[in-house]
Amino acid sequence: DQQVKQNSPSLSVQEGRISILNCDYTNSMFDYFLWYKKYPAEGPTFLISISSIKDKNEDGRFTVFLNKSAKHLSLHIVPSQPGDSAVYFCAAIYRPGWGKLQFGAGTQVVVTP
Amino acid sequence: DTAVSQTPKYLVTQMGNDKSIKCEQNLGHDTMYWYKQDSKKFLKIMFSYNNKELIINETVPNRFSPKSPDKAHLNLHINSLELGDSAVYFCASSLEGTVSSYNSPLHFGNGTRLTVT
Repeated sequence: DQQVKQNSPSLSVQEGRISILNCDYTNSMFDYFLWYKKYPAEGPTFLISISSIKDKNEDGRFTVFLNKSAKHLSLHIVPSQPGDSAVYFCAAIYRPGWGKLQFGAGTQVVVTP
Repeated sequence: DTAVSQTPKYLVTQMGNDKSIKCEQNLGHDTMYWYKQDSKKFLKIMFSYNNKELIINETVPNRFSPKSPDKAHLNLHINSLELGDSAVYFCASSLEGTVSSYNSPLHFGNGTRLTVT
């Protein structure tokens, strides 16, 4: 039972443009959401997170938006750079079960020159 | 300096064999995990240890046995390997339940690609 879904397996975007990655979840108990970035042959690395009490969190070129009523979050990357080409995983957690992150299947982002 | 390191990076073995994957973290974290990334690319938690004690044990065949000799190490031993065990296994660590951990809850190793033939 997949509680976190990333319905777009891939995304191609031109350098300098905005990348928008989407994520939907089904469990209303989730209270913390994270994005991880993964390069080939490496482990996922933490990118940005948001608590369920917020609707936006920004860190440099990365902004995560949370719409709790729609059970939807998105990651915006502006401007996209070639080094952003990677797989991006959305993850969610219900913090009393800390560490038991529920991951989506990932979105492969390719930034073209 | 490598924060979470796991060995080997690649492991090819035959069905029925027993194998181990080792993991070490030098971050001073007190909690370690094993995640499995299957063929559909989903990352799913298998086990978690906090200060050498098992705290998360998902529905995993008992052929998989984690062992934590100390809080910096978490090894995974797999008995009687099956074709379906082929996957990438990731070790991770975190500071359990602290404010700082909320900003970066899991640090992952680079994975071990297990292929069972």
